[in-house]
Order: sequence, then structure tokens, then C-alpha cells
Amino acid sequence: AQSVTQPDIHITVSEGASLELRCNYSYGATPYLFWYVQSPGQGLQLLLKYFSGDTLVQGIKGFEAEFKRSQSSFNLRKPSVHWSDAAEYFCAVGAYGTSYGKLTFGQGTILTVHP
Amino acid sequence: EAGVTQFPSHSVIEKGQTVTLRCDPISGHDNLYWYRRVMGKEIKFLLHFVKESKQDESGMPNNRFLAERTGGTYSTLKVQPAELEDSGVYFCASSQPGSYEQYFGPGTRLTVT
Repeated sequence: AQSVTQPDIHITVSEGASLELRCNYSYGATPYLFWYVQSPGQGLQLLLKYFSGDTLVQGIKGFEAEFKRSQSSFNLRKPSVHWSDAAEYFCAVGAYGTSYGKLTFGQGTILTVHP
Repeated sequence: EAGVTQFPSHSVIEKGQTVTLRCDPISGHDNLYWYRRVMGKEIKFLLHFVKESKQDESGMPNNRFLAERTGGTYSTLKVQPAELEDSGVYFCASSQPGSYEQYFGPGTRLTVT
């Protein structure tokens, strides 16, 4: 069965510190992957995406993620966190060969930023 | 360009009542998806429309849920009768033809009491 795991339910960092949010997946087919962010009272905003090619992808707001096929991981990173990054982050995976269909989401990671 | 919109933003109903959620996708997006997040759980896929046709409804929990997309534009998701376990946030997303990239709406928070 397809699954996505975000091991950390809640992470707290200080403003200016670096950040890494983990995402591991288990998929039978070749995956494509996304990170979404949901700020309080807002919808899901696409941060970045990986379909193929260069395994290090850049997104909005200074985020990047690295696809590691051997580790089945797609971790999200940011070198210096800003207070406005406090939000919930979701890793989502889809499978090529399906009809542009469903995404499987991780449980989400809530990020708290201390001043 | 307007994003995906959902109405209402919040609905509170009693068990046994009926609720209809609406989603307006981005103009030109043939693909429309419904997802749901029950409190404390992950966001789960419900179904996928391509234009007015149901492409994949494998995530629909039971026959109390009915999704429609007449004319291939907006979509409605009706829950009848609502049960307590239906409470959660219902997200709609859309994508262009031939694209895997889904754009999400703000969600409708449904509370069944």
C-alpha cells in the first residue's frame, strides 16, 4: 500500500535557525512529490515540487527539498527560518501511470518558530 | 487569476442533517479533486473528476457522500445524512489538463454535532 510518513508531528525552532522537515514514502510506482504549507486560516499552498531530473529542487520562500530515491525520502530544508514560516507542512506523493490522480499525504508537521 | 474557491468556509450541522459543499476550480482546470482531513489524521483523497466524469472515486467513504460536477465547472459534495465522524476539513483542488500539479482551495470546515 502507498504511504507517506512525516515522522515529526511538531517541531520548534528559533528564528534564524536552520530547518529540516522529514518525509519518507513507500510507493510501488515512480513517484512525483510535493511539499505544501498551510498557514493558520489559509488553504494549502504549494511550496515546491519534484517530477524528475535534478534531485535538489528549489521552491518559494527560500525552501528547498532533495529527492533521494535510495532512501525513499524528500526532506524539506530552509537555511534560516523566519517567524512567518510558522505553519503546518505537508508532504504529498503521487504516482506516474495514474490518470493525474490522487495524492497521498503525510500526517503533517507543525512548525513553531520562537523569536 | 482567481484560485480555487470553496463555500462555505465553515458549516455546523446536527447529526442526520444534510450539507452541501461547493468548489469552484480555477478556470480551465479540467481536473477537480476532493480531499478530507479528519481531526488528527492525514489529508485523504476522496475522488477525482475529469470534466464532468468521475475518474476515480475510490476514496469516498460510503454512500452518504455524493459528488457531482454538472457541466464540468463547479462541483458539489453532499453529505446526507451527516454523521459525527464526517466532521473535518474538506479540501478541493484542481489541475490543468495533462498536469500533475494540484492547486488547493482554503477548505470547508464541517462540524457535525
